[in-house]
Amino acid sequence: DGGITQSPKYLFRKEGQNVTLSCEQNLNHDAMYWYRQDPGQGLRLIYYSQIVNDFQKGDIAEGYSVSREKKESFPLTVTSAQKNPTAFYLCASSRDRTGEDTEAFFGQGTRLTVV
Amino acid sequence: DAKTTQPTSMDCAEGRAANLPCNHSTISGNEYVYWYRQIHSQGPQYIIHGLKNNETNEMASLIITEDRKSSTLILPHATLRDTAVYYCIVRFSNSGYALNFGKGTSLLVTP
Repeated sequence: DGGITQSPKYLFRKEGQNVTLSCEQNLNHDAMYWYRQDPGQGLRLIYYSQIVNDFQKGDIAEGYSVSREKKESFPLTVTSAQKNPTAFYLCASSRDRTGEDTEAFFGQGTRLTVV
Repeated sequence: DAKTTQPTSMDCAEGRAANLPCNHSTISGNEYVYWYRQIHSQGPQYIIHGLKNNETNEMASLIITEDRKSSTLILPHATLRDTAVYYCIVRFSNSGYALNFGKGTSLLVTP
């Protein structure tokens, strides 16, 4: 089945450790996104990528890093510089072709807890 | 992208129509109106989108006013599984930017 997969669903890390969240899509989408969601809040954009080997910072990129070496994959690293890393992380993808309206498809999220 | 305003929460009886309003008074001519919903602890799900005309699909209907400054998402026969947070988002189709989610409307469908 086509879709977007995030793993793992739950992740626990000790404070001060870097952690990488996986996001894979087999929809042949050009654009991929990472969002963060805190309890009772909407989604906030961390990073996005419109094409392989290129990505841009979103509204809250500090303390995070990404790579886009393959079209299908857009991993997010939460570094020790992120002061409040405990959150629900969501990955999304879309065709994002210029001039066409496109919908975004979301993964089921990774809930990260840093202790 | 234009900003949107939605009520914080709404209730609806099961089997009745749920009408979720959204104000987007600063929308420009090339911006689309998108609706997504998020069931608790899951990723958001696309519902519908439109530019000027009313739209309908298997999930919902989208009514956009003639001046495009507001819209209404209609779930014709709400079920308990429609309980979720509904997000109204306005964006250019080719902006290259990700969707800008606000806090949305928390819809509770009651038996």
